[in-house]
Amino acid sequence: LAKTTQPISMDSYEGQEVNITCSHNNIATNDYITWYQQFPSQGPRFIIQGYKTKVTNEVASLFIPADRKSSTLSLPRVSLSDTAVYYCLVGVSSGAGSYQLTFGKGTKLSVIP
Amino acid sequence: NAGVTQTPKFRVLKTGQSMTLLCAQDMNHEYMYWYRQDPGMGLRLIHYSVGEGTTAKGEVPDGYNVSRLKKQNFLLGLESAAPSQTSVYFCASSDPSSVSSETQYFGPGTRLLVL
Repeated sequence: LAKTTQPISMDSYEGQEVNITCSHNNIATNDYITWYQQFPSQGPRFIIQGYKTKVTNEVASLFIPADRKSSTLSLPRVSLSDTAVYYCLVGVSSGAGSYQLTFGKGTKLSVIP
Repeated sequence: NAGVTQTPKFRVLKTGQSMTLLCAQDMNHEYMYWYRQDPGMGLRLIHYSVGEGTTAKGEVPDGYNVSRLKKQNFLLGLESAAPSQTSVYFCASSDPSSVSSETQYFGPGTRLLVL
């Protein structure tokens, strides 16, 4: 299973850009990198997914270097409602067409007024 | 379109009791998953299923059994509950025909307390 490493926590002021980096040294060729957001007492929610270079949607951007051993989730101009735990997810094919997925321990982002 | 639903929302068990957690999805997804989340921890995969009638072990399968008799339902069973199984259980589903099956849709969770 591909293991991921993320910072345990981060603090940011409202309106700032926040970058959260995830390390995944043994990512496989066919693996995608996915980020989820989780609020207290709720299930995780999909934010963004990418394979290489850069992906952007209405919520965030995802930067993936050429070696794909890490990825960076970028949240532009965060607000208090972005306070949550963010998980980096890397999929590993079991060879039978199925996936065993590993969540990182997550990064707790606290946005300060 | 309810997405992923879980029943019950909360349950208290005594050590040694058994119970079944039900997960249902209405998105016609092939893949379904059961995770547990302990305080301050990330999600750990218990079991998963890649289709009706098939199941596979995840990272922490001991003490749990699962069944996928219908495509839309994924059941998680505890035959003899232990205090170590006190946790929040999340079910998820995904569509393997999408670019990547890693896009999972999660249910609201079931809080289980084993005394």
